[in-house]
Formats: sequence, structure tokens, C-alpha cells
Amino acid sequence: EAQVTQNPRYLITVTGKKLTVTCSQNMNHEYMSWYRQDPGLGLRQIYYSMNVEVTDKGDVPEGYKVSRKEKRNFPLILESPSPNQTSLYFCASSLRPGGGYEQYFGPGTRLTVT
Amino acid sequence: AQKVTQAQTEISVVEKEDVTLDCVYETRDTTYYLFWYKQPPSGELVFLIRRNSFDEQNEISGRYSWNFQKSTSSFNFTITASQVVDSAVYFCALSEAYKAAGNKLTFGGGTRVLVKP
Repeated sequence: EAQVTQNPRYLITVTGKKLTVTCSQNMNHEYMSWYRQDPGLGLRQIYYSMNVEVTDKGDVPEGYKVSRKEKRNFPLILESPSPNQTSLYFCASSLRPGGGYEQYFGPGTRLTVT
Repeated sequence: AQKVTQAQTEISVVEKEDVTLDCVYETRDTTYYLFWYKQPPSGELVFLIRRNSFDEQNEISGRYSWNFQKSTSSFNFTITASQVVDSAVYFCALSEAYKAAGNKLTFGGGTRVLVKP
């Protein structure tokens, strides 16, 4: 089944404790990205990747890191989480980077930083 | 810069009523794509429709219909004869075709629809 998976689905952590949210797709998609969802703000892009070893900042990259060593995986790293990073996170992928391609979203990761 | 505005934050209707969700967008590009996503209480994002900027035909899919008007930069969504299962948050989104950010989606703030039995 074609899908985007994220782990963990739920995470409660404390300020400053490094964490990684994994994202994997099995559709051989070139483009992957991370979004965060906050009430009233919709979803905002954190980072994106056009292909392996090609990543760049989105609209709200502060406090996050990413890497793309393999085509299928695109982990999101919070080196020192803070309470303002409490949010719902979505990973997404599309076949190509172009604007017309449908994006497939993962199920979301709800992160709480205390 | 691109922007999507969903002025209605929450709409409450009684089952079988029609409900229209407004979406207004801003972009300088002539080629772009518009999307609607549904987010049910379970939290996942469900793709509903994609429209490119050159196709202004309205679309109907079952109880769902979309009205795209380039002249007013709007892409409105109507649910006809609403059902309780339509209760969700609905997002309108915009993607510009040739930006360096590739396939970035710019989302509106979302409209929460509550359908009461």
C-alpha cells in the first residue's frame, strides 16, 4: 500500500531533550517536506527536500534540522525542543517537486514539549 | 508572496443543510494550483480536490462542489445536504508552479464545520 508513515504518533517530552521524528514513504517520491499545524494558522512548511542530499528551509525552520540521506526517509530533528514547538507535525511527499503534483500526507505526530 | 485566507473559522449547521466554505487566495503567478483538504477528528489530512489556474470549470463530486472564480481570486467549497460525517476542519491551499520551494503548499487557517444531527 502506498503510504507515508511517521513515528512516533504521539510524544510528550521535556524542554531541551533532543528528539527525532521519522518519516518514510514507499512511493519513490522525489519531494518530501515537513509541516507543522497550529490552531488558526493552518499548516506551515518547516523544511523541504527536492531529492536526496538536497534540503532547504521552509517558512518556519528555526529550531529544526532535517536530513535526506536516502530517498525514502526524511527525519525531522529537534536538537533542543522548547514549549513553542508543541504542535501537530505532518510529513508529506510528492512524485516531483513541481507545483501540480498531489502531496501525500503522513498521519501526523502530536508533540508536546513541557 | 502567496497567501490563502479562510475568513470563516467555524460554521455550525443542522444535518441536511447546505454549507459553503469561502477561500480567497493571493498570488503573483499566472500558473498555480488550488487544493482542498479535509481533516476529520482523527487528525489525518484527506485530499479532496486539485484545480489548476487555467481550469475555471466548476466541479461536482457527489455532495461536494467547488466554484473557482479567477476574477475574485476565490475557490469556494459547498457541501450539499450535510451529514454528521462531514464534521471536520477543511483547509484550502495554494501551490505555485515554478517556485524554488518546489511543491510547497500555503494553507489557509482552516474552517471547522460542525454538523449537528
